[in-house]
Order: sequence, then structure tokens, then C-alpha cells
Amino acid sequence: EPEVTQTPSHQVTQMGQEVILRCVPISNHLYFYWYRQILGQKVEFLVSFYNNEISEKSEIFDDQFSVERPDGSNFTLKIRSTKLEDSAMYFCASSALGSSYNEQFFGPGTRLTVL
Amino acid sequence: AQKITQTQPGMFVQEKEAVTLDCTYDTSDPSYGLFWYKQPSSGEMIFLIYQGSYDQQNATEGRYSLNFQKARKSANLVISASQLGDSAMYFCAMREVYNQGGKLIFGQGTELSVKP
Repeated sequence: EPEVTQTPSHQVTQMGQEVILRCVPISNHLYFYWYRQILGQKVEFLVSFYNNEISEKSEIFDDQFSVERPDGSNFTLKIRSTKLEDSAMYFCASSALGSSYNEQFFGPGTRLTVL
Repeated sequence: AQKITQTQPGMFVQEKEAVTLDCTYDTSDPSYGLFWYKQPSSGEMIFLIYQGSYDQQNATEGRYSLNFQKARKSANLVISASQLGDSAMYFCAMREVYNQGGKLIFGQGTELSVKP
């Protein structure tokens, strides 16, 4: 069964460093998403991406964040200068379509720890 | 603004019994989808069940069913015959048709513990 994959599973970084989180969405999916979950809290939307551009972003997704689809398979989230409060689980998700009845398939997540 | 509310931070259920996890939502969009995800302690998000706003019947998937009451804006998850492996966090989420990017909006979650 096709699945979303994410690397690395755990990333530890120093405050102020840049990190890139990688995702490989399901191959025939068109919509891609990043969510984050601070420990013990709910899952929060960061950004959605379609047709090689951002279609929506939340207020969390400020200038420190960027997304890219560098080739036909990878989807990346870059945090330019990490802060302590960026420590969270980051989930990538993909969906065949953007309609309300389409399930989003989640990857296993990358746990980011900022020291 | 869209909002999902899960009022039960934690629930306990005896193995083999049924349990209902509550979810209420708020939206002005007439077309939307409601989803339930399970998050075990390992952290991954597992899709369980979906209900569309225009669906006439309540959704069912194996031991999971969704008690959809549109007028009350509730979409409660019912797990029948609970198993120890059902112990996890459960998140209710909503997705709107006119939502530009199709994002999911999540509730705070309910932690379910199944007792042997």
C-alpha cells in the first residue's frame, strides 16, 4: 500500500540553525501539507501546496519557514533559523485532491528538538 | 471561523465494551468533511473514518462508526468491542469544500485508555 514517508524520524539542532525536513508524498497525489504538533497539543496546520505553489498558509508559517518541491517526488519544509518553540512533531500529508471528502494520508512524522 | 471541539481530554473503557468519543464542530460552509484519526503512542496519524456533510447515512468502518447529527453539529466516534490496542489519542478533524488548500482543522484530542 502506498504511503507517505518522512526523513529524518528525529532531528536535533541548535537554536539558530537551519533544518530541512523531507517528505515523499504518495506518487499520484496532487496536494501536499505540513502540520505540526507541539508535545501534548493538537495538530496544527502550517501550509498547503498545490501545482508548485503555496495555496494556503497559517499564521504560524512566517518568513522563517519555506516549502519546496525540488523534484517530482520530494516535498521539503525548511526552517531557516530555528527557535526553541519550533520543537515539535512535524507531519507531512498528501491528498489526491483538495476536496472535502478526500482523505489526507499522513507520514510518520519528524520529531524536531531545538536546543 | 471553523472550529472543532473535543470536550473529553481523557476517557476510560473496559475491554470489549463500546465507547463514544465526542466531537462538535462549527462552520458556516454547507459542504464539509469530518474525519477521525488515531494517534498511538508511537506518534503516527492513522485515518479511521470519514463523514461527508451531505451523506444521508452514518459512516461505518469495521468497529468504528460515526454518529453524525448535523443539526447539532456533532460527529461522535463510536468504537465497539474495545481492544487494548485501541488505547491512543483520537483526533476529530474537519475539512471544508471552499477551503482553498483543503487543510484539516483538528480538535484537541481525546486520550482513550482501554482497561483489561
